[in-house]
Amino acid sequence: GENVEQHPSTLSVQEGDSAVIKCTYSDSASNYFPWYKQELGKRPQLIIDIRSNVGEKKDQRIAVTLNKTAKHFSLHITETQPEDSAVYFCAAYGTNAGKSTFGDGTTLTVKP
Amino acid sequence: GAGVSQTPSNKVTEKGKYVELRCDPISGHTALYWYRQSLGQGPEFLIYFQGTGAADDSGLPNDRFFAVRPEGSVSTLKIQRTERGDSAVYLCASSLTGSSGGTEQFFGPGTRLTVL
Repeated sequence: GENVEQHPSTLSVQEGDSAVIKCTYSDSASNYFPWYKQELGKRPQLIIDIRSNVGEKKDQRIAVTLNKTAKHFSLHITETQPEDSAVYFCAAYGTNAGKSTFGDGTTLTVKP
Repeated sequence: GAGVSQTPSNKVTEKGKYVELRCDPISGHTALYWYRQSLGQGPEFLIYFQGTGAADDSGLPNDRFFAVRPEGSVSTLKIQRTERGDSAVYLCASSLTGSSGGTEQFFGPGTRLTVL
């Protein structure tokens, strides 16, 4: 089955700096890659997603890049703010669109 | 409109007991998903419904776990003979469709299950 590895597990940056989180996946048939933000005690919320026919997608301060050949995708957050502090999860969905595999998460801390 | 809701928010039970966890998806969403999240880990896929039918139940850990969605809306996750290792937050999510290529999933607040 699919295996998703996420790095780093923790990331601390200064406010205003950029943050990058990377995920690799094993199933070359995976075709949908969302990123979720989960604050302590809250539900995961989608922040950005990308499909396998696209190499990059951007939404204001957040961007995601996908390298299908290398089977990895990355989340980029620019101009980080303290409210960006949370746990971020990547996920990969295969040809069966319902089944997903999540990474183990990255705890991002943005220091004011 | 209302988001995905789950009841109860917390459930404490004793080892060996039976529990039911309920999920109310967003109205009109045909796809419904159950996940289990342990502390410090990402959500682990359990089962996915498209309408009333389980399209993929390959994530259910064993035959103690079962889920239904009889009318294509509300879903119930049932766990028999609970074990301490079943303790986790059980998350439900729904999406407009389960079409190939993925669609945005909206998560519920979760049910925290503790098995003593």
